[in-house]
Amino acid sequence: GIQVEQSPPDLILQEGANSTLRCNFSDSVNNLQWFHQNPWGQLINLFYIPSGTKQNGRLSATTVATERYSLLYISSSQTTDSGVYFCAVGRGDMRFGAGTRLTVKP
Amino acid sequence: GAVVSQHPSWVICKSGTSVKIECRSLDFQATTMFWYRQFPKQSLMLMATSNEGSKATYEQGVEKDKFLINHASLTLSTLTVTSAHPEDSSFYICSAKAGGANGELFFGEGSRLTVL
Repeated sequence: GIQVEQSPPDLILQEGANSTLRCNFSDSVNNLQWFHQNPWGQLINLFYIPSGTKQNGRLSATTVATERYSLLYISSSQTTDSGVYFCAVGRGDMRFGAGTRLTVKP
Repeated sequence: GAVVSQHPSWVICKSGTSVKIECRSLDFQATTMFWYRQFPKQSLMLMATSNEGSKATYEQGVEKDKFLINHASLTLSTLTVTSAHPEDSSFYICSAKAGGANGELFFGEGSRLTVL
């Protein structure tokens, strides 16, 4: 099956800093999504981005499908950005990476 | 975005009993739904793909007789954990794609099961 690797596993930032999260995958896919899991377990859709670049406020994402990776950018981080960020990829069902645990300190 | 609702959010049961979790797509039809399981501080692991009107497809290592999945309509899938044991305690999350096979995946709120 498709392997999904996320890096870094843990990230600690000071409020206001920028960060880049990476997702590598082992095979071609037609769906790639980024999620933020809040402390209550709810998965929040951030981006549906099988290819190209998208931006939503302080967040943006880029997927280079031919090179099998995606990047999630968080600018001017806030404490509310803390949580776990997951990348999920697939061609039918979706497989998740191990996630990046982000902690933003005030 | 599309809305997926899951119920119950929390359930505590005694060992040996069965628990049913419902997953509904509220504003779209879903021929396929997906059930995931998440242990503390771990990622989401796909358990099974639920297909409307047919049998579910289970991932390797997932006992189909223990985790019964029924997808009786285009908006409802249920997961029944039969004869639950403490090791079945986990966070169960359902999801569905809006917009067809390559559509965006939306998740329910999750159900936290504790088996005593």
